[in-house]
Amino acid sequence: DTEVTQTPKHLVMGMTNKKSLKCEQHMGHRAMYWYKQKAKKPPELMFVYSYEKLSINESVPSRFSPECPNSSLLNLHLHALQPEDSALYLCAAGAPLSTDTQYFGPGTRLTVL
Amino acid sequence: KQEVTQIPAALSVPEGENLVLNCSFTDSAIYNLQWFRQDPGKGLTSLLLIQSSQREQTSGRLNASLDKSSGRSTLYIAASQPGDSATYLCAVRGRTSGSRLTFGEGTQLTVNP
Repeated sequence: DTEVTQTPKHLVMGMTNKKSLKCEQHMGHRAMYWYKQKAKKPPELMFVYSYEKLSINESVPSRFSPECPNSSLLNLHLHALQPEDSALYLCAAGAPLSTDTQYFGPGTRLTVL
Repeated sequence: KQEVTQIPAALSVPEGENLVLNCSFTDSAIYNLQWFRQDPGKGLTSLLLIQSSQREQTSGRLNASLDKSSGRSTLYIAASQPGDSATYLCAVRGRTSGSRLTFGEGTQLTVNP
């Protein structure tokens, strides 16, 4: 089972809203990732959690707040977003070892009005 | 800093053709290189993962090669089908970049019936 699930599939929010994206995996992988992807561009890494600890933060604005409650769940809390934050947000999971692949979820399409 | 380039940016072929997608990278100090497929608005599907010690990997009609010394990889698709239409992304995991994947801009493939 290589499945990574993400909810919701689509999200529309205003600039004053607070919302959360959720990612779940039951493959036992101990590294989880958040990526942002704009149209016709490759994914850009935002955060990496390794063994439930934040190991990489790619200088992401504080209006994005990640959380890893346990080894199967990864959340991305959103607050006071800007229209330019509209994008496809992808979650991935994999082993922390550098020789392994990353398994991607289907993504959440976020629109900020 | 690792840079990954994919050529061509877009490709349109008739059904049944064999085709080659190209990927080049600037820093040969890599753990592995991975080819992904992405359908519009969807997540990434891993196609082939080539470790730095390997020369090629095959899966069905797909064959990926890696020449680490020259910084090049190719993805060969045999007997293309309309269902192969998608964007193909090449990603490199560098030895100095930790868990990060460096993606190319992708090749958008259209296979016409």
